[in-house]
Amino acid sequence: GQQLNQSPQSMFIQEGEDVSMNCTSSSIFNTWLWYKQDPGEGPVLLIALYKAGELTSNGRLTAQFGITRKDSFLNISASIPSDVGIYFCAGRRTSGSRLTFGEGTQLTVNP
Amino acid sequence: DVKVTQSSRYLVKRTGEKVFLECVQDMDHENMFWYRQDPGLGLRLIYFSYDVKMKEKGDIPEGYSVSREKKERFSLILESASTNQTSMYLCASMGSGRAYEQYFGPGTRLTVT
Repeated sequence: GQQLNQSPQSMFIQEGEDVSMNCTSSSIFNTWLWYKQDPGEGPVLLIALYKAGELTSNGRLTAQFGITRKDSFLNISASIPSDVGIYFCAGRRTSGSRLTFGEGTQLTVNP
Repeated sequence: DVKVTQSSRYLVKRTGEKVFLECVQDMDHENMFWYRQDPGLGLRLIYFSYDVKMKEKGDIPEGYSVSREKKERFSLILESASTNQTSMYLCASMGSGRAYEQYFGPGTRLTVT
């Protein structure tokens, strides 16, 4: 299936820094989801977005559903060591239950 | 709280063996999914089920089958395991209606030798 273009592929930051990552597609999506996966574990849902332009926060995490419906952004503020992991975006198109996944952003936070 | 469990966290099988991976969810969700995850290839959908006894092929169904006899349980079957099926297998479930949020289990790391 089609993959979403997620960038950057990896990030190395210092504790306390803010982080931004994004997903883009040539297709329109009606739902955007952001997940975090720790090593050896399954992805955990962080934020779900349902409307174009929607901005949703979950603690230090903020995600936005792009106005064009072809992209989404995730920001993490004041990063801490436990933010380390792989962050995935996922999108759902106009119908059906299937999701399309990005390839992930590997985040490393140096104390 | 959402709960998806998988029968094994780690599994080692020999080539040619029949392998069963079990997934159970306690959220009364209609939809269940099996993915495999490989480095550089991301998450790829193997099969999904939108109701009991119903199934649909995903992007990479070859070499796999599934069974959904009860709403809460979705099984992935490797009829004759091969080394190229060594992977991380992830189960997910999702309710019907507006919330298209998939919830994942902890994964099964399968090694076929």
